Amino acid sequence: AQTVTQSQPEMSVQEAETVTLSCTYDTSESDYYLFWYKQPPSRQMILVIRQEAYKQQNATENRFSVNFQKAAKSFSLKISDSQLGDAAMYFCAYRSGSYSGAGSYQLTFGKGTKLSVIP
Amino acid sequence: DTGVSQDPRHKITKRGQNVTFRCDPISEHNRLYWYRQTLGQGPEFLTYFQNEAQLEKSRLLSDRFSAERPKGSFSTLEIQRTEQGDSAMYLCASSPRLAGARGGETQYFGPGTRLLVL
Repeated sequence: AQTVTQSQPEMSVQEAETVTLSCTYDTSESDYYLFWYKQPPSRQMILVIRQEAYKQQNATENRFSVNFQKAAKSFSLKISDSQLGDAAMYFCAYRSGSYSGAGSYQLTFGKGTKLSVIP
Repeated sequence: DTGVSQDPRHKITKRGQNVTFRCDPISEHNRLYWYRQTLGQGPEFLTYFQNEAQLEKSRLLSDRFSAERPKGSFSTLEIQRTEQGDSAMYLCASSPRLAGARGGETQYFGPGTRLLVL
């Protein structure tokens, strides 16, 4: 079974600064997808960024970028020019690239990192 | 595109009562998922529908839990004889079936139903 580990329960960053959230995962599969989701307080979860394991190029979405290290099974999220609206729980998630076998359809989440942005 | 909606947003019930939650996915999304999120944890997968077929169930989904998606549109999650351990946020998500996506299509989440069992 796949596992996702987020080792930083809480992080803080000064407004306009850069912060990196860590995520590691364990899998025996070679084909999979990784995601970062953001869950603001009392609001619904939204996708921040996704990465296909077969792509070597790191994904970027505006101020958000990832550092995907497949061999190390590491998938960190970098937030540049942090804004007050970035304050939220951030979840790293894994999904198999195969539709066969148990667990193929689900997202497996880490426990999350609570990000605070200091004005 | 109005997003995934869930009803009710909050539910307080007494131990032993039955509760039912509803999820309306994004229109034309044929895939629907239920997750459970307890305090301080990430969401945990419960079950998955493709159209009206329930294709996968987690071992977390005990016999007291049942989910349906009768016409392949909205879905209901029922918990019978609720226990205090059922207190959690129940999240619904939907995704489209994209040709060639190979599992990478984005799951869009609803706001969740927060259940408190007294």
